[in-house]
Amino acid sequence: NAGVMQNPRHLVRRRGQEARLRCSPMKGHSHVYWYRQLPEEGLKFMVYLQKENIIDESGMPKERFSAEFPKEGPSILRIQQVVRGDSAAYFCASSPGLLYGYTFGSGTRLTVV
Amino acid sequence: AQTVTQSQPEMSVQEAETVTLSCTYDTSESDYYLFWYKQPPSRQMILVIRQEAYKQQNATENRFSVNFQKAAKSFSLKISDSQLGDAAMYFCAYSAGNQGAQKLVFGQGTRLTINP
Repeated sequence: NAGVMQNPRHLVRRRGQEARLRCSPMKGHSHVYWYRQLPEEGLKFMVYLQKENIIDESGMPKERFSAEFPKEGPSILRIQQVVRGDSAAYFCASSPGLLYGYTFGSGTRLTVV
Repeated sequence: AQTVTQSQPEMSVQEAETVTLSCTYDTSESDYYLFWYKQPPSRQMILVIRQEAYKQQNATENRFSVNFQKAAKSFSLKISDSQLGDAAMYFCAYSAGNQGAQKLVFGQGTRLTINP
């Protein structure tokens, strides 16, 4: 079992560009979560998805951020028109169900220049 | 809203000694879970230990154990026989057990240094 796979590991974008972060959950896991970690801080919840559905997006900024988890393929976190403040590590986690713990990916470090 | 507080930004311990990391939380829920995660320089988030609030017995995983004080809303992590590989950021986290989404609320973290 390959674990939760996130790519790219590092991503550099210029201000105004789009960033697309990918997350492939563990085999058999249908619940995906995205978290953001600013430097020297804990992780902050962004969004919780199941296949083709957004269950809870209470932590997502209202503008420029979107997430999807299609029937086929990885979950995608998309950040449009990136700004310097979007620079952070973005973590994906997956779970087989609500009563089970998470498995985290290694994160994508986004740097906006 | 639930909050998690880790009051020790940094801690250090001599190799083979015991160290305790503090965590307090605030919630009005009666059913919830508490976690300790380790984040080494590789950035990978690794689950260290998990505690269900309805269980009175403190969780233990090898050299790691917790002191769960439900009334005081305290959840400390004890690391016995510290090893160099234990050096990392440690995050305490909370999850409400009866929510439809099992989102985690994290504390700010404690950086643990192991002195050889």
